[in-house]
Amino acid sequence: AQKVTQAQTEISVVEKEDVTLDCVYETRDTTYYLFWYKQPPSGELVFLIRRNSFDEQNEISGRYSWNFQKSTSSFNFTITASQVVDSAVYFCALSHRQGAQKLVFGQGTRLTINP
Amino acid sequence: GAVVSQHPSRVICKSGTSVKIECRSLDFQATTMFWYRQFPKQSLMLMATSNEGSKATYEQGVEKDKFLINHASLTLSTLTVTSAHPEDSSFYICSARSPGQGNWGYRGTGELFFGEGSRLTVL
Repeated sequence: AQKVTQAQTEISVVEKEDVTLDCVYETRDTTYYLFWYKQPPSGELVFLIRRNSFDEQNEISGRYSWNFQKSTSSFNFTITASQVVDSAVYFCALSHRQGAQKLVFGQGTRLTINP
Repeated sequence: GAVVSQHPSRVICKSGTSVKIECRSLDFQATTMFWYRQFPKQSLMLMATSNEGSKATYEQGVEKDKFLINHASLTLSTLTVTSAHPEDSSFYICSARSPGQGNWGYRGTGELFFGEGSRLTVL
């Protein structure tokens, strides 16, 4: 069975602070994909990143960075110098090789950036 | 611009009526689409996999007679909530993949396309 856990239900920080969103996953598959999506108040899902299980390199994209650690089954997401526009619900998700587009989502973390 | 579009974005209906939600892939052909449901302040749960030209595959616990899915063309999947009740009120989101984009069916960036979502309110 596959499972994604985002233990942080809500996080609130002041603008310009760094914030890390945790994601822990469970899967029996050796080949899988991990994702992060942003869901602003309007509701649509905005793709942020996909990472496959063979690539443990950390990735940085502007103020966003991701830390993938297979040893701890974690795929954490850090926003540096947060901005009010970063306020949203963030979802971590997992898919496996077969049926790769079927995603199992975590519970989501509601991030509020206060001015 | 959006490559997967849903319509309507919001719908309010009376209990007992049926509501149809459309999911269209705008610039590619989607042999497979997925329908998710999201309750307020909760996560997205996969409801069913919509396959063009064949029956949909439903996840455990989802009533196939309640949530009718039709994927009649490579660019359109529809979800019909039959005899809707207030507990069916939710945010419904579809996703689609384009075939022949290399391994795993993803674009180079690894993006899976989601629609904008449809918020259903049943009174």
